Amino acid sequence: AAGVIQSPRHLIKEKRETATLKCYPIPRHDTVYWYQQGPGQDPQFLISFYEKMQSDKGSIPDRFSAQQFSDYHSELNMSSLELGDSALYFCASSSFGGRYNEQFFGPGTRLTVL
Amino acid sequence: GESVGLHLPTLSVQEGDNSIINCAYSNSASDYFIWYKQESGKGPQFIIDIRSNMDKRQGQRVTVLLNKTVKHLSLQIAATQPGDSAVYFCADSDDYKLSFGAGTTVTVRA
Repeated sequence: AAGVIQSPRHLIKEKRETATLKCYPIPRHDTVYWYQQGPGQDPQFLISFYEKMQSDKGSIPDRFSAQQFSDYHSELNMSSLELGDSALYFCASSSFGGRYNEQFFGPGTRLTVL
Repeated sequence: GESVGLHLPTLSVQEGDNSIINCAYSNSASDYFIWYKQESGKGPQFIIDIRSNMDKRQGQRVTVLLNKTVKHLSLQIAATQPGDSAVYFCADSDDYKLSFGAGTTVTVRA
C-alpha cells in the first residue's frame, strides 16, 4: 500500500539558509500534519492543512511557513535557519479530516543545520 | 495544550514476557488517545487507539486501557518479541492535532 512520501530524506543546510521540505500524502487523504522531533524528544505539532486550508497551528516559528497544494501535497518552508532547527520533520496524513481517523506518518526528513 | 507523559523512560523486558507501558495525561478535554511505535530512523507507526467512551480496546497482541478517573493510559504487549524493541509514545487529542508525551524505550532481552 502507498505510504506518505517525504523528500528529501536528509538535508544539510548552513545557518541563515532556507529549506523546503515536501510531503506527499497517501492517495485520497486530504489532511496533512507537520511535526518536529528534536533529538531524544517527542514529536511536536507544527501545523496542519485540510482541503488546502490551514486547519490548526501549533508551535511553528514565524520563520516557517507551509501550504497545501491542489494535489494535496504540502511543503514546509523554513527560512533563516538556526542550529536549533536541526531535527526530524515528520509529515502525517489522514482522510476526510475526521478527528478519529488514523494519522499515517511518513519516514521523516532529517534536517541538519551547521 | 497540556502534554501526555509516560512514567518510565526505559523498559527492559524478557522475550516472551508481557510488557506494560504507562502514560499519565492531564488534559481533561482529551477524548482520543493513541499509542505509536517508533523504530530508529522511522516515523511513528500507529499501534492502537481508544476513544474516551471506552476503557479497554484490544488489538493483535496489544491492549490499551484507559482510566479516565485517574487520567491514566496503558499499553500492554503480550508475548513481547525482539521486533517490539522501539520507542513507544502515547498521544492525546482534544481536536485534530496530536500531543505526544515523552517516549518509553522498550528493549527486549533474548
